[in-house]
Amino acid sequence: GAVVSQHPSWVICKSGTSVKIECRSLDFQATTMFWYRQFPKQSLMLMATSNEGSKATYEQGVEKDKFLINHASLTLSTLTVTSAHPEDSSFYICSAYLRLAGVVNEQFFGPGTRLTVL
Amino acid sequence: GENVEQHPSTLSVQEGDSAVIKCTYSDSASNYFPWYKQELGKRPQLIIDIRSNVGEKKDQRIAVTLNKTAKHFSLHITETQPEDSAVYFCAASTGEGFQKLVFGTGTRLLVSP
Repeated sequence: GAVVSQHPSWVICKSGTSVKIECRSLDFQATTMFWYRQFPKQSLMLMATSNEGSKATYEQGVEKDKFLINHASLTLSTLTVTSAHPEDSSFYICSAYLRLAGVVNEQFFGPGTRLTVL
Repeated sequence: GENVEQHPSTLSVQEGDSAVIKCTYSDSASNYFPWYKQELGKRPQLIIDIRSNVGEKKDQRIAVTLNKTAKHFSLHITETQPEDSAVYFCAASTGEGFQKLVFGTGTRLLVSP
């Protein structure tokens, strides 16, 4: 089956520092990846759509200068949280979109990255 | 944009009972409706999905029904087991190419032995 990995699985950082999270599709190419944020006991909220070779599309209310997304290859998207603050502490989950010609369109989720900003 | 509402927020059942979770959506153009199970601290796992050209789909103890006219869809779990305890999310596709998903607020299911 389609496998998506994320790295790191958890990170603790000081306020004001930047944190990079990687999302990789291990056994398929994904032209589109998605980044979600999930606060405790809440739903997944889509932050942005990452398209290989082009700029990411951000959802309303998400600061593109704070959450930098780079989708440089068909198997890797990165999310950089710049100048992180305690309110950015959350569970960040990526997904990779697999499209099989004429058949299934499905998102496969990474295991998530728990970010704690002190 | 798409808005997905999910009920109930919590659901407690006895082992062996059935559980039903309901979702409504607002975008009549949505055509893909997946259901995910998420255990604490883990990734969402797709358990079943349905597309707009189908009214019902079943996979062993799990079934999903879709009413496009009313814009609602439901998850049915029969013969519940303690290992079914988790948070369940419904979602509806939206956006260009309908690749994006909007998630419901989640239902915490507790199955007591």
